[in-house]
Amino acid sequence: GQNIDQPTEMTATEGAIVQINCTYQTSGFNGLFWYQQHAGEAPTFLSYNVLDGLEEKGRFSSFLSRSKGYSYLLLKELQMKDSASYLCAVSKAAGNKLTFGGGTRVLVKP
Amino acid sequence: GAVVSQHPSRVICKSGTSVKIECRSLDFQATTMFWYRQFPKQSLMLMATSNEGSKATYEQGVEKDKFLINHASLTLSTLTVTSAHPEDSSFYICSERGLRTDTQYFGPGTRLTVL
Repeated sequence: GQNIDQPTEMTATEGAIVQINCTYQTSGFNGLFWYQQHAGEAPTFLSYNVLDGLEEKGRFSSFLSRSKGYSYLLLKELQMKDSASYLCAVSKAAGNKLTFGGGTRVLVKP
Repeated sequence: GAVVSQHPSRVICKSGTSVKIECRSLDFQATTMFWYRQFPKQSLMLMATSNEGSKATYEQGVEKDKFLINHASLTLSTLTVTSAHPEDSSFYICSERGLRTDTQYFGPGTRLTVL
């Protein structure tokens, strides 16, 4: 089976930085995705990490350590529109199915 | 722009009726699409993998006779919730894997409410 853990909720101030951690235990690992989901909407793709290291994309960065089964999503210069759920998802080597963590609800306050 | 569309976006039906949800690939010819279900304040749960021209592969605990999946063409997969009950009320989302990439792109979702 698979176990994917991420915090349930985080609160941060506009303009600040927030780091959302995701740990996983899985038999077979292909890559790790981060998605953003606003309430009532479908998830939108943020990042995909296959190799160890940091991938930076504008205000969002994602990090992966395969040996530690650990990833984080870093959101910089937070804006009010960043208030959403952030989903960590693992892709297994076979079939490319995604298994999602429970999601982290981020609330950005003025 | 969007690569996956879903129809309808919202449906309300009576208990015991069947509801069909369509998922269309707009950019790719998707041989594989995925169907997910999401209950309020919960994460996405994979229901099944839809393969063009063959039977869908269902996840453990998902009734294949209740959730019928058809993937007759490269751009269209349908999910039919048969004899819907109030506990089937949920947000149903499909996705497809992009060409030459592992990234999955999600449709806008269908909110089903069964009265």
